[in-house]
Amino acid sequence: NAGVTQTPKFQVLKTGQSMTLQCAQDMNHNSMYWYRQDPGMGLRLIYYSASEGTTDKGEVPNGYNVSRLNKREFSLRLESAAPSQTSVYFCASKSKRTNVNTEAFFGQGTRLTVV
Amino acid sequence: AQKVTQAQTEISVVEKEDVTLDCVYETRDTTYYLFWYKQPPSGELVFLIRRNSFDEQNEISGRYSWNFQKSTSSFNFTITASQVVDSAVYFCALSKVYNFNKFYFGSGTKLNVKP
Repeated sequence: NAGVTQTPKFQVLKTGQSMTLQCAQDMNHNSMYWYRQDPGMGLRLIYYSASEGTTDKGEVPNGYNVSRLNKREFSLRLESAAPSQTSVYFCASKSKRTNVNTEAFFGQGTRLTVV
Repeated sequence: AQKVTQAQTEISVVEKEDVTLDCVYETRDTTYYLFWYKQPPSGELVFLIRRNSFDEQNEISGRYSWNFQKSTSSFNFTITASQVVDSAVYFCALSKVYNFNKFYFGSGTKLNVKP
């Protein structure tokens, strides 16, 4: 049971570079999320996808784009990285059914540093 | 608007002490879910508990217990006889029931358990 798998685990970018964070889940979940975690601020939602083919902005979407490639995969792209995007990024997924497993399952996180 | 407040930024205790982590939430919804997650030093987020707003019964799981009080909008977490392995950051979170695609996380409480 892999659960939620994120790649890469660590990444250093130069300002202005682009990159894509990959996320895949094997639990047949409908909903997937991208969060960023910064010291003292908890987890803030960047984008989410309620189901395959749909994406919506969260609390802090500026500077990011997402793609829900299929039911399993949800990627996060930084087109032009900025130092303010230095953070730990978490992907999560959960079932859409209200009576089962409404907790979210998280990946291991990606530690991104933009210099 | 939904909001979760964890006023305790960091708590230090000595092993075997009991410790309570506070969580206060704001929501206009009459039905909602509350969660606690643990983030150990390794960085992953581990689901601990989900509580439906319909159910105000306290819950105990081993050394962990949760006190949900709707009247004070609180969902506090107590660790009895703390152990060094309990050292982690603990997050409280809130989600809607019928549009539960968004989680609202508190800023987290860092618990240090010293031997």
